[in-house]
Amino acid sequence: KAGVTQTPRYLIKTRGQQVTLSCSPISGHRSVSWYQQTPGQGLQFLFEYFSETQRNKGNFPGRFSGRQFSNSRSEMNVSTLELGDSALYLCASSLVFQGRTDTQYFGPGTRLTVL
Amino acid sequence: AQSVTQPDIHITVSEGASLELRCNYSYGATPYLFWYVQSPGQGLQLLLKYFSGDTLVQGIKGFEAEFKRSQSSFNLRKPSVHWSDAAEYFCAVPYNQGGKLIFGQGTELSVKP
Repeated sequence: KAGVTQTPRYLIKTRGQQVTLSCSPISGHRSVSWYQQTPGQGLQFLFEYFSETQRNKGNFPGRFSGRQFSNSRSEMNVSTLELGDSALYLCASSLVFQGRTDTQYFGPGTRLTVL
Repeated sequence: AQSVTQPDIHITVSEGASLELRCNYSYGATPYLFWYVQSPGQGLQLLLKYFSGDTLVQGIKGFEAEFKRSQSSFNLRKPSVHWSDAAEYFCAVPYNQGGKLIFGQGTELSVKP
């Protein structure tokens, strides 16, 4: 079974621009979670989507948004980019059993650099 | 609130030596617990997980972890480290029944030849 895929793997943007990152989950997984990883803050949860609905949300500004499609693929969007948004963005997919998100399997990440 | 602490930021061990990486958690009930490994520039790979039952959990690559409720710990161990084990290791606990994982700060492992 193919793993979680993320595109693109690398992105360079300038301040003020917006960016869209894509995540394709493992086949059959309907939950997708997104994380931001930086050297200073570590791994921080952005949001989770399940069945096209946002189920959980982390403590990030409204510039960070996401969505999920009927095939469970997910995108996240960051508008008005700031230098501090430079990070590795990871997505993870999982099954959901009786309302509980099961083990998360991570993709390789998208490295975003904001200049 | 749920939290995870990995007390060691960086550990160096010699190849062939044993390894123990520490993880302490704070959680209201019996937690689900995970260990992930990350090589430079890569995503996270699941090493092992604890849901319930046997407190000694076996994972991939020869790793194991022991859940100790009395110490609120879930330490990762390997009897003989290989140079390819050099990476960063993260302990994690779910925040709730949803998809939010709380991660520790990570422990970077270096392996001396």
